[in-house]
Amino acid sequence: GAVVSQHPSRVICKSGTSVKIECRSLDFQATTMFWYRQFPKQSLMLMATSNEGSKATYEQGVEKDKFLINHASLTLSTLTVTSAHPEDSSFYICSARDQGSGVNTEAFFGQGTRLTVV
Amino acid sequence: SQQGEEDPQALSIQEGENATMNCSYKTSINNLQWYRQNSGRGLVHLILIRSNEREKHSGRLRVTLDTSKKSSSLLIMASRAADTASYFCATESRGSTLGRLYFGRGTQLTVWP
Repeated sequence: GAVVSQHPSRVICKSGTSVKIECRSLDFQATTMFWYRQFPKQSLMLMATSNEGSKATYEQGVEKDKFLINHASLTLSTLTVTSAHPEDSSFYICSARDQGSGVNTEAFFGQGTRLTVV
Repeated sequence: SQQGEEDPQALSIQEGENATMNCSYKTSINNLQWYRQNSGRGLVHLILIRSNEREKHSGRLRVTLDTSKKSSSLLIMASRAADTASYFCATESRGSTLGRLYFGRGTQLTVWP
């Protein structure tokens, strides 16, 4: 089945630094990928839709200058948390969908990245 | 932006019992999907039900969908301790980008041996 790989799985960084998270679709092309954020014991909140070759579409309330998204190829999207602060600590998960598979097929999720900002 | 609500928020049962979780949503949908998440891990896709379907089975899982009530249920039959996890419903809205999902709050299921 289709696989989405997310890296790193865990990262600890100092306040003020930037962190890049990668999301790769391994055996299918994904013109669109999605980034979610999850706080402990809470649900997944959609942050943005990453579009290959164009700007990402951000959900209301998500700072696009804080969370930079780049989707430079059909198999890779990156999320960069810029000038990270402790409140950015969270679990970030990406998903991708095989756009060639038609309507009503599942999205595939990465393993998630646990970001801790100290 | 989350549009789903789930109940119960937590469910605790004994092995062998059935577990039922409910999900409600707000908009018209293409499909509704159920996912499982073990603590601190990624999501595992369980089942997808289309808007024109009413019931779907997969192994010990049974999902129902009532579009008139904008609700769905997930039944796990003959539960096992290994079923302990968080379960989320997610909807793909009609007219939205394919794969763009809105998640419910989730149900934390604990199955005691």
